[in-house]
Amino acid sequence: AQSVTQLDSQVPVFEEAPVELRCNYSSSVSVYLFWYVQYPNQGLQLLLKYLSGSTLVKSINGFEAEFNKSQTSFHLRKPSVHISDTAEYFCAVSGDNYGQNFVFGPGTRLSVLP
Amino acid sequence: SQTIHQWPATLVQPVGSPLSLECTVEGTSNPNLYWYRQAAGRGLQLLFYSIGIDQISSEVPQNLSASRPQDRQFILSSKKLLLSDSGFYLCAWGRGTGELFFGEGSRLTVL
Repeated sequence: AQSVTQLDSQVPVFEEAPVELRCNYSSSVSVYLFWYVQYPNQGLQLLLKYLSGSTLVKSINGFEAEFNKSQTSFHLRKPSVHISDTAEYFCAVSGDNYGQNFVFGPGTRLSVLP
Repeated sequence: SQTIHQWPATLVQPVGSPLSLECTVEGTSNPNLYWYRQAAGRGLQLLFYSIGIDQISSEVPQNLSASRPQDRQFILSSKKLLLSDSGFYLCAWGRGTGELFFGEGSRLTVL
């Protein structure tokens, strides 16, 4: 069985400061890893994903995450956050190509302060 | 391109009343379909997933049910709502790369 841990339920950070949202997973098979973002009263949007290849993946709005197999981690980072980055962030793992075993972490609420 | 529509966006229902939330996907065929619930301040709970018409798996025992009358239509229902059914319901579809695509959600308040 797969599981995802996001140790930080809330992360407050000042605007233009760097941020790291932590994600660790456990799985007995090869995994696909995802970060989703949820703005208030909206559905989840895919932020970035790791399927294979380069372990460092980047989004168009400055976020990046690195797959670390030895540490079973997929931490999300941004060097300089904006007020508009305030949202809930979910890490997720899928163990196959069909999405049937899609497991979400509990989420981290990022609050960017002026 | 693929799109997913979910409605209604919000609804307020009394305890004991029925429920029907509808989800439709466009631009793809034979998608995997999912219903998730997000209670206030909590993560995502998978309720149902479907790999095809009339092929639905329930992840959590409850008074909710799901149906898939057409390939790209997924319906979440209840005959009698409970207070604990309040929450934000999200429909999603998936494809071979494993990622899921979500609708905008339906916020249900049971009074």
